[in-house]
Amino acid sequence: GDSVTQMEGPVTLSEEAFLTINCTYTATGYPSLFWYVQYPGEGLQLLLKATKADDKGSNKGFEATYRKETTSFHLEKGSVQVSDSAVYFCALDRSARQLTFGSGTQLTVLP
Amino acid sequence: SAVISQKPSRDICQRGTSLTIQCQVDSQVTMMFWYRQQPGQSLTLIATANQGSEATYESGFVIDKFPISRPNLTFSTLTVSNMSPEDSSIYLCSVVRGAGEQYFGPGTRLTVT
Repeated sequence: GDSVTQMEGPVTLSEEAFLTINCTYTATGYPSLFWYVQYPGEGLQLLLKATKADDKGSNKGFEATYRKETTSFHLEKGSVQVSDSAVYFCALDRSARQLTFGSGTQLTVLP
Repeated sequence: SAVISQKPSRDICQRGTSLTIQCQVDSQVTMMFWYRQQPGQSLTLIATANQGSEATYESGFVIDKFPISRPNLTFSTLTVSNMSPEDSSIYLCSVVRGAGEQYFGPGTRLTVT
């Protein structure tokens, strides 16, 4: 069945450091791919998405490119801020709009 | 986007009791989903709730334990029945908008003692 494998956390970075959170997937067909963010004590927010191969999703300085050849959708940001501290979830869209989530990666950014 | 509210935001319940969680959306949607997020874990889909038909449950979830209602296109409820401590989780509803984008409510944090 469909699955998402996400980089193990937690990840701790200093402010202005470069961020990469790895995400790979297994799916039949061509699912849409998403990154969601969950700030402490809050629900999930859609961060970015990509719907087909080579699409690049971007938002708030975060980027991810849909790589069909490597079945990956890695999240990157060039310079993280303390306010980026949160849990990040990679997800794919199965049929009928049902999402399959990765395990989540806790990011802590230190000032 | 979508404005989604859930009630209650949190509750502490005794084992053996039931809790009904409400999810209200700011406009009509066809599909609503219920997810569970166990402590420190990712999200797992419980069921898909469509208005006018019975909910569709994922493997491992049954209607007797998690009955769902969907009386109209802006509202749904999830009941957690005969609760045990293993049911302690965050329960989230979600809807699909736009180009397949899914938006989540703030969640209901349930603790069963």
